[in-house]
Amino acid sequence: GAVVSQHPSRVICKSGTSVKIECRSLDFQATTMFWYRQFPKKSLMLMATSNEGSKATYEQGVEKDKFLINHASLTLSTLTVTSAHPEDSSFYICSASTGAGGYTFGSGTRLTVV
Amino acid sequence: GQQVMQIPQYQHVQEGEDFTTYCNSSTTLSNIQWYKQRPGGHPVFLIQLVKSGEVKKQKRLTFQFGEAKKNSSLHITATQTTDVGTYFCADRYGNKLVFGAGTILRVKS
Repeated sequence: GAVVSQHPSRVICKSGTSVKIECRSLDFQATTMFWYRQFPKKSLMLMATSNEGSKATYEQGVEKDKFLINHASLTLSTLTVTSAHPEDSSFYICSASTGAGGYTFGSGTRLTVV
Repeated sequence: GQQVMQIPQYQHVQEGEDFTTYCNSSTTLSNIQWYKQRPGGHPVFLIQLVKSGEVKKQKRLTFQFGEAKKNSSLHITATQTTDVGTYFCADRYGNKLVFGAGTILRVKS
């Protein structure tokens, strides 16, 4: 089945540094990927839609300069959290459409900013 | 924007008891998808419902889509400890998913 590989699974960084999260579609091409943020025991909130070869589309209230998205190929999308602060600590998950109606999710990245 | 309400927020059941989570929307849902997220894990696609009044079954899980396409439910018969996790409904809105708040299921053995 369609698999999305997400790395790293956990990262701890210092305030003010940047963190890059990668999502790769392993056995299919993903022209569109989605980035979500999830707080503990809460739902998934869509941050942005990543489009291969073009600019990402950000949801209302999401700072595009803070959360940089790059989708340079049909199998790779990256999310960079720039100048991270403790309030950016969260669980970040990417997903892609499988083409069969459902979406497959990466395993998520737990970011802790200290 | 599109909103999907999901209840209950939490449910603790004794192993062997049934469990149901409900989703509803004030507007017509284009299609509804259900996901399961185990503790510490990521959402896993369970099923998609498209047609009005549709009912689908996966072993002990029964999924329903309302006649007016404004509500949906997931029912688990005779819960097992392996059923623990958070169950989310999601409306496919264009190419995006709008998630409900999720129902956290705990099963006591």
